[in-house]
Amino acid sequence: EVQLLESGGGLAQPGESLRLSCAASGFTFSDTAMTWVRQAPGKGLEWVSSITASGVTTFYADSVKGRFTISRDSSKNTLYLQMNSLRAGDTAVYYCARVLGSSALDWFDPWGQGTLVTVSS
Amino acid sequence: SNELTQPPSVSVSPGQTARITCSGHALPKQYTYWYQQKSGQAPVLVIYKDTERPSGIPERFSGSSSGTTVTLTIRGVQAEDEADYHCQSADFRGTYTMFGGGTKVTVL
Repeated sequence: EVQLLESGGGLAQPGESLRLSCAASGFTFSDTAMTWVRQAPGKGLEWVSSITASGVTTFYADSVKGRFTISRDSSKNTLYLQMNSLRAGDTAVYYCARVLGSSALDWFDPWGQGTLVTVSS
Repeated sequence: SNELTQPPSVSVSPGQTARITCSGHALPKQYTYWYQQKSGQAPVLVIYKDTERPSGIPERFSGSSSGTTVTLTIRGVQAEDEADYHCQSADFRGTYTMFGGGTKVTVL
């Protein structure tokens, strides 16, 4: 069974940093692109970032480019999202998901249960 | 503009058909994917590549595409189908992906 388990969320002040992790199991992690998607309270889904299976190529939404960094460690079957210079607008539940298809921007299945990030002073 | 537009809400009686649209300028060129999100839960993929249904998704869910609009259709709606539905697709050049604003389906 494919499982994705996010961790690392919590409360941060504006300008601070957090690192999210997503532990993957049940599939060949090193062969699979991965992604992060967030959802602000009461709002829709917002794609944040994706990374190819090799980790060589990354993609970012304009809203996080230059502040967030996606990475992966295939030896640990873990996906990361380093979030720097956090803003109140980054407050959201952050989901990791496996990417299926031929591109790191194709469809996402399945999704983890999410981890809540709250940015507030 | 690089946006996906969905109606905020759709209401339907049990047993009837719900149609949820998603419009975007790049949709004739890019595939669209649909996700169901029930209250307090993570999204679940229900349609990929415009019309394909993943294993385990009921046959009453189907997708179609026409020009700049794609449609998720739920035939014979059941109470358990009450959820938010989100479309996803990429920009013209395939350099980023995006979601529509989501549609809340209410079963009357």
